Amino acid sequence: ELKVEQNPLFLSMQEGKNYTIYCNYSTTSDRLYWYRQDPGKSLESLFVLLSNGAVKQEGRLMASLDTKARLSTLHITAAVHDLSATYFCAVDMDSNYQLIWGAGTKLIIKP
Amino acid sequence: KAGVTQTPRYLIKTRGQQVTLSCSPISGHRSVSWYQQTPGQGLQFLFEYFSETQRNKGNFPGRFSGRQFSNSRSEMNVSTLELGDSALYLCASKLRGEAYETQYFGPGTRLLVL
Repeated sequence: ELKVEQNPLFLSMQEGKNYTIYCNYSTTSDRLYWYRQDPGKSLESLFVLLSNGAVKQEGRLMASLDTKARLSTLHITAAVHDLSATYFCAVDMDSNYQLIWGAGTKLIIKP
Repeated sequence: KAGVTQTPRYLIKTRGQQVTLSCSPISGHRSVSWYQQTPGQGLQFLFEYFSETQRNKGNFPGRFSGRQFSNSRSEMNVSTLELGDSALYLCASKLRGEAYETQYFGPGTRLLVL
């Protein structure tokens, strides 16, 4: 059974700081996704990572995938308050069109 | 381009009743997936449809069912509602359902079972 673990589950940080959210998964997969969810809102796709070594960047967020370590990271550079949200990673069960989700990391960025 | 729409947005039902939720994908998208989100279990995959065919189903009891119509609109039905079915139900669409595609989520239907 595929399990996806995120850590930390909760992160409070100051604006301007850097931090990393980790996403570990338990079986082989080379398809990993990052999403953002604001309170009371739906999910927004951030990154699609489809191969070992894939790196994607958008603004202050950068995601990477290491399929050998079964690990993805979401790095936040010089955090700003607008990045406060819950971030989810999700792994695709190979060819099954089924996403298995991490528990989410609630990120609070204080001005 | 209109996004994914879901109706109704909020719903209150009592135990034992059944409910039908509707999802209209982005125009041209043929893949629709459904997810359940609860504070306790997080996000869980329900099923995925492509061109009216269910391609995969998550680990939910048979009370949860769905279908997709020829215009790609999808419905999910939950029969004999239980208190534990209270959740946010999200649907998402993709153009072809391929792994590399961005998945777009609707606003969700919040179901409360009393």
